[in-house]
Amino acid sequence: AQTVTQSQPEMSVQEAETVTLSCTYDTSESDYYLFWYKQPPSRQMILVIRQEAYKQQNATENRFSVNFQKAAKSFSLKISDSQLGDAAMYFCAYRSGLNAGNNRKLIWGLGTSLAVNP
Amino acid sequence: GAGVSQSPSNKVTEKGKDVELRCDPISGHTALYWYRQSLGQGLEFLIYFQGNSAPDKSGLPSDRFSAERTGGSVSTLTIQRTQQEDSAVYLCASSLRDSLGSYEQYFGPGTRLTVT
Repeated sequence: AQTVTQSQPEMSVQEAETVTLSCTYDTSESDYYLFWYKQPPSRQMILVIRQEAYKQQNATENRFSVNFQKAAKSFSLKISDSQLGDAAMYFCAYRSGLNAGNNRKLIWGLGTSLAVNP
Repeated sequence: GAGVSQSPSNKVTEKGKDVELRCDPISGHTALYWYRQSLGQGLEFLIYFQGNSAPDKSGLPSDRFSAERTGGSVSTLTIQRTQQEDSAVYLCASSLRDSLGSYEQYFGPGTRLTVT
């Protein structure tokens, strides 16, 4: 079975600085997707960034980028120029690819609570 | 169009009562998921609906939990004889198969269930 581990329950960063959130996963599958979701106090789960396992290039979305190390099964999220609005819970999630059947359920880490200090 | 909506936003119920949680997915989305987010335990998959296929109920924690999806749209998650350990946020997500098959999931705001 696949597992996702986030080893940092809490992190903090100064506004405008850079922070990296860690995520490791375990799988025997070769085709999968990895995600970072943000959950602010409103509870709305918002997709931050997505990485396809078959792609070697790291995904980037504006100030958010990932360091995807497939052999090491590591998927960290880097937030550059941190803003007060980035404060939230961040979840790393795994989903099997097309060969795993139709259920595209997400498997989640326990989350990292990020505080942004002004 | 509108995103995924869930109701009620918050629900407080007494132990032993039944509750129904509703999810209204994005129009046209064929897949619908329920997840449970418990304090300190992260999110866990509960049940998955895809079109007219039989649902995948493999994540339901006990036979007190059931869900249905009427007309391939609105879904209701029912918890019978609620217990205190059922207290959690229940999240619903829907997705549409895009041309790449990436099955992006869009989440509702969740229902916070408190069992007293």
